[in-house]
Amino acid sequence: QSVLTQPPSVSAAPGQKVTISCSGSSSNIGNNYVSWYQQLPGTAPKLLIYDIHKRPSGIPDRFSGSKSGTSATLGITGLQTGDEADYYCGTWDSSLSAVVFGGGTKLTVL
Amino acid sequence: EVQLVESGGGLVQPGGSLRLSCAASGFTFSSYWMNWVRQAPGKGLEWVANIKQDGSEKYYVNSVKGRFTISRDNAKNSLYLQMNSLRAEDTAVYYCARDPIIAARPLYYFDYWGQGTLVTVSS
Repeated sequence: QSVLTQPPSVSAAPGQKVTISCSGSSSNIGNNYVSWYQQLPGTAPKLLIYDIHKRPSGIPDRFSGSKSGTSATLGITGLQTGDEADYYCGTWDSSLSAVVFGGGTKLTVL
Repeated sequence: EVQLVESGGGLVQPGGSLRLSCAASGFTFSSYWMNWVRQAPGKGLEWVANIKQDGSEKYYVNSVKGRFTISRDNAKNSLYLQMNSLRAEDTAVYYCARDPIIAARPLYYFDYWGQGTLVTVSS
């Protein structure tokens, strides 16, 4: 059971938009920055979003992040088949004194 | 180009030990907090431990405290994870990952990851 809660799966058609939620508490998302990672099949995770909404160099602006209270959201627009992957949210948890992740969301582009 | 290359994984019996290594290149290794993150087969990510630039501070997830030890050798640009008293639930791919900031406190996210090394604990 992960500290952060994500939907197990989401799906949408190519070109459409999808959002992935990440729910936590005041000890983690509520008082800390959130990051998001993309893990393509058989590969290592890749940083997509940090500090809630910032994108590393090379990450297209189709990917966006936001936070409200104790929940965060990853948005992906203009979906491509290459976006099919597992997506994870992560943050610091001050009660656990540990970095915590969501259980991951599998994105299917139909 | 930043590169992190893990090694040392393999099959080990319950109660056994294993030492993982991570060779870093393409950046000033001694300036960054470093981490180990693991992923059990078919499961999500779990942060394991991190270590400060000079090795003076080390932090662990509760499930590995007292059994795992993170260390580094800045002269060799290498990160290590000594794993003792291994359990079946430690079976996972272990990733070496860099915290992006050059500062006294980490940011708790990871901008570069290695390809991972698989540890299997089974009799």
